Amino acid sequence: GNSVTQMEGPVTLSEEAFLTINCTYTATGYPSLFWYVQYPGEGLQLLLKATKADDKGSNKGFEATYRKETTSFHLEKGSVQVSDSAVYFCALSDHQAGTALIFGKGTTLSVSS
Amino acid sequence: GAVVSQHPSRVICKSGTSVKIECRSLDFQATTMFWYRQFPKKSLMLMATSNEGSKATYEQGVEKDKFLINHASLTLSTLTVTSAHPEDSSFYICSALNAQGYNTGELFFGEGSRLTVL
Repeated sequence: GNSVTQMEGPVTLSEEAFLTINCTYTATGYPSLFWYVQYPGEGLQLLLKATKADDKGSNKGFEATYRKETTSFHLEKGSVQVSDSAVYFCALSDHQAGTALIFGKGTTLSVSS
Repeated sequence: GAVVSQHPSRVICKSGTSVKIECRSLDFQATTMFWYRQFPKKSLMLMATSNEGSKATYEQGVEKDKFLINHASLTLSTLTVTSAHPEDSSFYICSALNAQGYNTGELFFGEGSRLTVL
């Protein structure tokens, strides 16, 4: 079945450090891929998405490229801020009508000043 | 656009009582909504798929008699936790599928509801 695997956290960085959170997936067909972010005490917000191979999603300085050959969708940011501290979830949708997203386990990011 | 709202955001109840959580799509019609449960420091577990006008589809291991889901209109789905016990304490999150996200599978999430059962 479809699944998403994220790197284990927590990830602790200093402000302005480079961030990478690894995400790989298993899916039949050609899923859409997403990164969602959850700030403390809040629900999930879409951070970025990519719907086909080689697409790059980007938002708020974060980027992720849909790599079909490595079945990966790693999240990167060149210079993190304290306000980026949150839990990040990688997810996929297999495009079947009305199906839910499949989430990775989430990676907690803590950025200190 | 594509705003999903949950209510209440926090609820504390006594063991044995029932609690209803509402999920509304504010600016679009959602024929399909999903209910997730999030345990501390763990991922989101899909509980059920709620389809407007029909019975919800529950994931394996989720007690449908305990977690009652009703999707009576295109903008409202409710989750009722019946005879709640402390182990039901959790963060419950709803999400909705909007037509604009239909082809990509993107979901729009509510703010979540934290249930604490004493």
